[in-house]
Amino acid sequence: KAGVTQTPRYLIKTRGQQVTLSCSPISGHRSVSWYQQTPGQGLQFLFEYFSETQRNKGNFPGRFSGRQFSNSRSEMNVSTLELGDSALYLCASSLTLTGVGQQTQYFGPGTRLLVL
Amino acid sequence: AQKITQTQPGMFVQEKEAVTLDCTYDTSDQSYGLFWYKQPSSGEMIFLIYQGSYDEQNATEGRYSLNFQKARKSANLVISASQLGDSAMYFCAMREVNRDDKIIFGKGTRLHILP
Repeated sequence: KAGVTQTPRYLIKTRGQQVTLSCSPISGHRSVSWYQQTPGQGLQFLFEYFSETQRNKGNFPGRFSGRQFSNSRSEMNVSTLELGDSALYLCASSLTLTGVGQQTQYFGPGTRLLVL
Repeated sequence: AQKITQTQPGMFVQEKEAVTLDCTYDTSDQSYGLFWYKQPSSGEMIFLIYQGSYDEQNATEGRYSLNFQKARKSANLVISASQLGDSAMYFCAMREVNRDDKIIFGKGTRLHILP
């Protein structure tokens, strides 16, 4: 079974631009979460989607948004990029709703975003 | 207050030795899950092991075991017979089932296995 895939793997943007990152979960997984990882802040939760609905959101400004499609694929968008948005963005999928039993999240390889 | 504390920023261990990575957590919930992930330099987070708060037995997965001490709110990862490929960042994480279900990660421990 294929793992979580993320595209693109690397991205360079300039301040003020916007970016869209894509995540395809493991086949059969319906929950997708996004995380931002930086050396200073570590791993921070962005949001989680299940059945095309956002279930949870972390403490990030409205410039960060996401969506999930009917096939469970998810995208996240960052508008008006800032230098501080440079990070590794990780996507994780799990089988079903979180909070029910063991909901192990399986991560993709991440998208490394550099904002100049 | 930090929910997940990993007190060891870095560790150096000789190959073939066992290693314990510390993790303490803070929650008032009775129902929660604890996870350990490994992150090699490539960046991908690899799931290692899971422990549920109601599980009475310590979780084990191959060379990985989780030393779960509920009263002390401790969930240490034990790697037996370490290998060079174990060199990576290790993250402890928790999900509180009855709260907002967000998974919270510790700051991580960088493990170096020496030949």
